[in-house]
Amino acid sequence: DAGVIQSPRHEVTEMGQEVTLRCKPISGHDYLFWYRQTMMRGLELLIYFNNNVPIDDSGMPEDRFSAKMPNASFSTLKIQPSEPRDSAVYFCASSLDRALSYEQYFGPGTRLTVT
Amino acid sequence: KQEVTQIPAALSVPEGENLVLNCSFTDSAIYNLQWFRQDPGKGLTSLLLIQSSQREQTSGRLNASLDKSSGRSTLYIAASQPGDSATYLCAPREYGNKLVFGAGTILRVKS
Repeated sequence: DAGVIQSPRHEVTEMGQEVTLRCKPISGHDYLFWYRQTMMRGLELLIYFNNNVPIDDSGMPEDRFSAKMPNASFSTLKIQPSEPRDSAVYFCASSLDRALSYEQYFGPGTRLTVT
Repeated sequence: KQEVTQIPAALSVPEGENLVLNCSFTDSAIYNLQWFRQDPGKGLTSLLLIQSSQREQTSGRLNASLDKSSGRSTLYIAASQPGDSATYLCAPREYGNKLVFGAGTILRVKS
């Protein structure tokens, strides 16, 4: 299996622009997670989906952030408008409910820089 | 709110040493706990997952223990190698399939 795939790997954009991050989970996994990692705050869960349905978005920082999962093999995280404080590495992860294990597998991340 | 603390924050050891990384969490109502490693500029790699009903889990030179009632987990690395150099993160899983991460322990193994 190719693992969790994220694109782009790096994104540099100007303040005010719209940014879209993409994720393809591991085939067959029924949970998908979006995390953000910064030096100041570490790894934070933004939102997660189960069977394409958003379950908990309490970590989404502001209305500027939105996430969708139109099907089992694709999810997007959108920031509109972007701000310099959104600069971070964004990770996508997926897991499968197997024997209540829920072991999470992470993608390589998207490094976002907003200037 | 779950809070996770990892000690030490950084560790530098000569090759071949056995070492212990510590993780503590404030809410013992967890389902399991995962240990990850993260190499610079990379994603997270899952090392071990311990269910709440387990006390230990082993994979190669790695051994993780869990004392749920006291809110502690340790990761033991035997015969450390330079390739073990990375940041190690622990993450208990609480209700709703949510992982809460510690800040990590930065490990450097010198050859």
